[in-house]
Amino acid sequence: QAGLTQPPSVSKGLRQTATLTCTGNSNNVGNQGAAWLQQHQGHPPKLLSYRNNNRPSGISERFSASRSGNTASLTITGLQPEDEADYFCSAWDSSLRAWVFGGGTKLTVL
Amino acid sequence: QVQLVESGGGVVQPGGSLRLSCAASGFTFSSYVMHWVRQAPGEGLEWVALIWYDGSIKNYADSVKGRFTISRDNSRDTLYLQVSSLRAEDTAVYYCAKERDGFDYWGQGTLVTVSS
Repeated sequence: QAGLTQPPSVSKGLRQTATLTCTGNSNNVGNQGAAWLQQHQGHPPKLLSYRNNNRPSGISERFSASRSGNTASLTITGLQPEDEADYFCSAWDSSLRAWVFGGGTKLTVL
Repeated sequence: QVQLVESGGGVVQPGGSLRLSCAASGFTFSSYVMHWVRQAPGEGLEWVALIWYDGSIKNYADSVKGRFTISRDNSRDTLYLQVSSLRAEDTAVYYCAKERDGFDYWGQGTLVTVSS
């Protein structure tokens, strides 16, 4: 099943802003929106943003999600060392009748 | 608080079978769609299957269709995944996940290793 497209890696400095992208098509991101997950090495993923771009309870305001057409974005402001992790986007594909994930972006905080 | 606890993983030979379980607590299990998602070592996330609240609808990834079966027992608050005809490429950590406009809670995962 075709997945979503994410850049493999992004590097930014401490306290800077990182914007991660996730590109799909009109059957998934463009139609249903994308949810964002953070995963630290050796741990299960954690939801950062629902498909409607709202944050779950307990997620820092430094994380914000948006969508334009078939591309979803996750913006992380004031980067901290603990933000260094893998970030995945996910969406329901109404044509495939399946959930699809992006390949993940490894964020490095310099 | 919400808890999802997977079990049943292990080492199995190619062609073998296992039944994975996910015990849920801290929420009304029967009110949510549930999923299995897997992650091969060093790789990204791959959606495996979903099951509706009452088990009436099930969807599978093409890679597992015909080999894996998802089920649930709402009286026991437990999700299952029967994995059969296993291949080396099925080696992964298998997570169960609760759905609410995204995968909002995950278990710690159970490792399935397919090896002779």
